[in-house]
Amino acid sequence: DTGVSQNPRHKITKRGQNVTFRCDPISEHNRLYWYRQTLGQGPEFLTYFQNEAQLEKSRLLSDRFSAERPKGSFSTLEIQRTEQGDSAMYLCASSLWDSLGPVISPLHFGNGTRLTVT
Amino acid sequence: QKEVEQNSGPLSVPEGAIASLNCTYSDRGSQSFFWYRQYSGKSPELIMFIYSNGDKEDGRFTAQLNKASQYVSLLIRDSQPSDSATYLCAVDNYGQNFVFGPGTRLSVLP
Repeated sequence: DTGVSQNPRHKITKRGQNVTFRCDPISEHNRLYWYRQTLGQGPEFLTYFQNEAQLEKSRLLSDRFSAERPKGSFSTLEIQRTEQGDSAMYLCASSLWDSLGPVISPLHFGNGTRLTVT
Repeated sequence: QKEVEQNSGPLSVPEGAIASLNCTYSDRGSQSFFWYRQYSGKSPELIMFIYSNGDKEDGRFTAQLNKASQYVSLLIRDSQPSDSATYLCAVDNYGQNFVFGPGTRLSVLP
């Protein structure tokens, strides 16, 4: 179990540029989540995948944000035409979902990607 | 809209004391409850999870769940300065995503 891996750790970009983040989940986990966190706030849900299917996308997520998880392995989160309000920590997490179980297993987070838009 | 509420703190306790962190949630359908610890500039790390009413103990940590009152708490016994962090409460959303509270900042004073 090597944990959830996120790259890059930090990204500084100019307003209007596109950025892409990568997340490699724990290998046996079938669910992958993206959250965003700003200073003093709890993580805010963006989207999640079960295997390769994107099952939910937050209404707060604008059309500038897109996420993929090809082949149900790693995932990418792309932000187009970045704005200063996009500056945040982007957190990826994974979990093992068992549809037969009554409860959900915990999220395991990566180290996050800190985005600064200047 | 599901809501998870926590006092933002800071909650200050002396070293060796018991720290009590509280969380309330809005949706009676929630089944799974989680406590995460987050150090400044780091990502959240799982401390405990609880699914059933009552208490669950793990070392110095005890999670307490009362579904009737929609209340979950975390007790930290023998608090240490290294416990100083933000503690996040998270609640499942019908087995889909997780809703997080804003976190409570805990400061353990030597």
